[in-house]
Amino acid sequence: DGGITQSPKYLFRKEGQNVTLSCEQNLNHDAMYWYRQDPGQGLRLIYYSQIVNDFQKGDIAEGYSVSREKKESFPLTVTSAQKNPTAFYLCASSIVPGGPGDEQFFGPGTRLTVL
Amino acid sequence: AQSVAQPEDQVNVAEGNPLTVKCTYSVSGNPYLFWYVQYPNRGLQFLLKYITGDNLVKGSYGFEAEFNKSQTSFHLKKPSALVSDSALYFCAVRDRGDRDDKIIFGKGTRLHILP
Repeated sequence: DGGITQSPKYLFRKEGQNVTLSCEQNLNHDAMYWYRQDPGQGLRLIYYSQIVNDFQKGDIAEGYSVSREKKESFPLTVTSAQKNPTAFYLCASSIVPGGPGDEQFFGPGTRLTVL
Repeated sequence: AQSVAQPEDQVNVAEGNPLTVKCTYSVSGNPYLFWYVQYPNRGLQFLLKYITGDNLVKGSYGFEAEFNKSQTSFHLKKPSALVSDSALYFCAVRDRGDRDDKIIFGKGTRLHILP
């Protein structure tokens, strides 16, 4: 089966700790994205990557970091600098960056709770 | 800058009745438009998209949407609602002239189908 996997499904973190969320895709997609979802605010873009070893900040990148060392993987680190990290995090991918109307495919999400 | 608005936070429809979930957009050029659905604690699932051509787009699960350029709208419709259609629906837009591979999502509309 092709798709996007995110792990873990639920994650608990103490304040002041960094935590890394995993995102893997076997769809052979070039572009990958990280979104944050909060109730009533829809999806907000954190980071995105159009090609291996390159990524760009989205609308709310402060307190987050990413890497794109492999085409299949796009891990997100939530650092202690992120002031309000409790949220539902969604990873997505699309076929070709800038492709005509390419839809994004989403993973099942990771719910992060800071204690 | 592109934007998308979903004016209704929640829509209630009786089972068997037609449903409409509203979406309006703003882009500087021509749009690519998308609808996604999200079930509780899950990622988003792609429903349908408008790229070009016929203004009426048919998608998954019996949903359709009509692109109206003069009203800058892309409302989601279904002729007969099912209880299983109850979910959170997101409209999204991408500006064709935007070199960044970014899609802007609305805040979502929660659809309740009443048995």
